[in-house]
Amino acid sequence: GQNIDQPTEMTATEGAIVQINCTYQTSGFNGLFWYQQHAGEAPTFLSYNVLDGLEEKGRFSSFLSRSKGYSYLLLKELQMKDSASYLCAVRDSNYQLIWGAGTKLIIKP
Amino acid sequence: SQTIHQWPATLVQPVGSPLSLECTVEGTSNPNLYWYRQAAGRGLQLLFYSVGIGQISSEVPQNLSASRPQDRQFILSSKKLLLSDSGFYLCAWTGTAASGANVLTFGAGSRLTVL
Repeated sequence: GQNIDQPTEMTATEGAIVQINCTYQTSGFNGLFWYQQHAGEAPTFLSYNVLDGLEEKGRFSSFLSRSKGYSYLLLKELQMKDSASYLCAVRDSNYQLIWGAGTKLIIKP
Repeated sequence: SQTIHQWPATLVQPVGSPLSLECTVEGTSNPNLYWYRQAAGRGLQLLFYSVGIGQISSEVPQNLSASRPQDRQFILSSKKLLLSDSGFYLCAWTGTAASGANVLTFGAGSRLTVL
């Protein structure tokens, strides 16, 4: 079967750095996505990786290793507004998105 | 620019009543359209997707149905709601390969509570 694993919840301190991991086992691979979802709102797109390596976008970076079936989302200089759930999703060989359950990130002052 | 509208935002319905959620996309043509459901603390579950007018694929057997009467309109319906239908429903779209876009963009969501 297809599976996406990510931690259920993480806690970090304002101003610090946090890394949210995602491992996947899917039928084929056509890209990995990270989305941010604030409580009660719809997910919004953060990043997309299809080749190995690091993609940097401001305070957020996303890394992919296809051989290891592994990705992480790195958030720097954490702000209170970063408190949200972070969803990892992989597009499989049929171009369908397989979703993880999400990681709830709690930022403490 | 492309925008996606979804309504109603919130609704409370009794068991056995009908349901209609509507979604429209503006600023693009021939989008792929999706209906997802998100239960509390769980991942997104794909319910239906459509690659064109009248073309609906169902991912999960249930008492819900979807229709696409126009290119940029996608409707989620039920004739008789169950308690288990409660959840957060999200409409989304992606551009087709020719347009170059491949990111799933969500509407604001509809929170359904069945009592």
